[in-house]
Amino acid sequence: AQSVTQLGSHVSVSEGALVLLRCNYSSSVPPYLFWYVQYPNQGLQLLLKYTSAATLVKGINGFEAEFKKSETSFHLTKPSAHMRDAAEYFCAVSVSSGTYKYIFGTGTRLKVLA
Amino acid sequence: ETGVTQSPTHLIKTRGQQVTLRCSSQSGHNTVSWYQQALGQGPQFIFQYYREEENGRGNFPPRFSGLQFPNYSSELNVNALELDDSALYLCASSTGTSGGTDTQYFGPGTRLTVL
Repeated sequence: AQSVTQLGSHVSVSEGALVLLRCNYSSSVPPYLFWYVQYPNQGLQLLLKYTSAATLVKGINGFEAEFKKSETSFHLTKPSAHMRDAAEYFCAVSVSSGTYKYIFGTGTRLKVLA
Repeated sequence: ETGVTQSPTHLIKTRGQQVTLRCSSQSGHNTVSWYQQALGQGPQFIFQYYREEENGRGNFPPRFSGLQFPNYSSELNVNALELDDSALYLCASSTGTSGGTDTQYFGPGTRLTVL
């Protein structure tokens, strides 16, 4: 069965520091992977997605993620954190079971310290 | 803004009652999915509709049901509410034409509290 695991339910970084949010996947077929962000009291917004076209995927707000098959990882990074990046981040895999549905990780709450 | 709206924003019900949550998808999006997000958890897939037919279901009991209408609106109905049904309910729309790479656009959610 396909799944994703997010390591670290809470991550704190200083403003201007590197952001690294970890996501590992489990899949017997080439996966389609997504990163979403959820701000307080809001729905989920797509940051980026991996569709097998390129292993380094650039998204919105300066975020990017690299698909590494050998490590079954799809970690999200941003070179310099900003206060507005404080939110909850979810990694998801698209799973085929008659239709396509998302399987989400449990989320990582990012805190940015001034 | 994703162009997906949900109503109501918040709802309080008592155990045993029934509730209907509503979603308005982006125009042209023939697929709508519903998710349940319990506090501190990631969203869990409830079911998906494509062109008014249910075409996929997660591990939720039959008291969770839905409808999709031709005008890109949809409903999630929950009967015989239980305390554990307290959660944020999210709908997400997509074109349904790109298979596994389809991007799902999420609404802001309805926060349901069951007392």
